[in-house]
Amino acid sequence: NAGVMQNPRHLVRRRGQEARLRCSPMKGHSHVYWYRQLPEEGLKFMVYLQKENIIDESGMPKERFSAEFPKEGPSILRIQQVVRGDSAAYFCASSLPGTDTQYFGPGTRLTVL
Amino acid sequence: GESVGLHLPTLSVQEGDNSIINCAYSNSASDYFIWYKQESGKGPQFIIDIRSNMDKRQGQRVTVLLNKTVKHLSLQIAATQPGDSAVYFCAETLRGAQKLVFGQGTRLTINP
Repeated sequence: NAGVMQNPRHLVRRRGQEARLRCSPMKGHSHVYWYRQLPEEGLKFMVYLQKENIIDESGMPKERFSAEFPKEGPSILRIQQVVRGDSAAYFCASSLPGTDTQYFGPGTRLTVL
Repeated sequence: GESVGLHLPTLSVQEGDNSIINCAYSNSASDYFIWYKQESGKGPQFIIDIRSNMDKRQGQRVTVLLNKTVKHLSLQIAATQPGDSAVYFCAETLRGAQKLVFGQGTRLTINP
């Protein structure tokens, strides 16, 4: 009964490179959420996806950030041309359709040099 | 801005004592609340939840209280153990909105 899986756990990028973060939801969960956490702060909502659909991206920066959840495979959060301010922990959560409880993965810690 | 906040950023209690972590929310339309525990280097772990049609819910050693009149949420942990040391977040959401709004967190330290 695996939980939410995220990889990589740690990612180091230089300014201007691309970062790809992956999330596999819990079995049976078709709703995926991405959150960002800065040190000593709470999590901030970024985007909510269902299979092949972006439902709510109100927390996503307008530029450089994109997310997808294809019919097959994990959800991907993509950050293009990373800057130092993108350094943070990025968490993925998933839920069952019709439920509100979100279960979180271990996170990907992105460091931009 | 955030609609969820916490009164105390840090809390220290003696092992075996009870602890209470508080949370204030500002959105009176929120109807679902969750407490998460986050240990260093890990993701948030679900502890307990409560809907707005309830004012109390109990789990194993944990109780969540909801006071809608003053928009206040609390997490009570009974007989604290060293493993309870972590940062605790409250989060709220509107039914159907799905996105969680998190408070800033309270760091709970259990002293031996």
